[in-house]
Amino acid sequence: GQQLNQSPQSMFIQEGEDVSMNCTSSSIFNTWLWYKQDPGEGPVLLIALYKAGELTSNGRLTAQFGITRKDSFLNISASIPSDVGIYFCGTSYGKLTFGQGTILTVHP
Amino acid sequence: DAGVTQSPTHLIKTRGQQVTLRCSPKSGHDTVSWYQQALGQGPQFIFQYYEEEERQRGNFPDRFSGHQFPNYSSELNVNALLLGDSALYLCASSSRTSGGGTYEQYFGPGTRLTVT
Repeated sequence: GQQLNQSPQSMFIQEGEDVSMNCTSSSIFNTWLWYKQDPGEGPVLLIALYKAGELTSNGRLTAQFGITRKDSFLNISASIPSDVGIYFCGTSYGKLTFGQGTILTVHP
Repeated sequence: DAGVTQSPTHLIKTRGQQVTLRCSPKSGHDTVSWYQQALGQGPQFIFQYYEEEERQRGNFPDRFSGHQFPNYSSELNVNALLLGDSALYLCASSSRTSGGGTYEQYFGPGTRLTVT
């Protein structure tokens, strides 16, 4: 089945730093989605991408749909403590397939 | 505008018992998907309901079954519970685009099931 490889597995950064994470696959997809999950809660949709090469921003978050359609990137600029959580990439055609997640810790 | 709601929030069951979890989709959504999330892992797709029928299914045994009602709400039933069924069960709702295909899914807060 589909497998998404998300990296890094975890990140420890200082408040104010920028963050980059990515997701790759051996398969081509038509959609890339980025979610954030806080402890004990459901994932919250951050950004949805539908076209190869598409670059979309949501506040301090920017995500890109890779040209090859096999990867996607999420950047967070000027991180703040509330950015802490687990970030998941996902692809969707009916069902969502998730990456393993990137655990982000932000030190004040 | 109410988002996706799930009940109950937490549940403790014994091995061999049966459990029913409930989900109400976001207003305007007609499709409900269920996911199982074990601790430290990403959500795994169980199945999806649209027009009161199961449309897609992940790699879960027949002990996992579901239902969708005319008002689009949904139930997840798990029979003969095993210790390994302990997890966060997430419901996600979405709206089908014309012709089907990819679409965004919005998650509820989940139901934490513990099997002892």
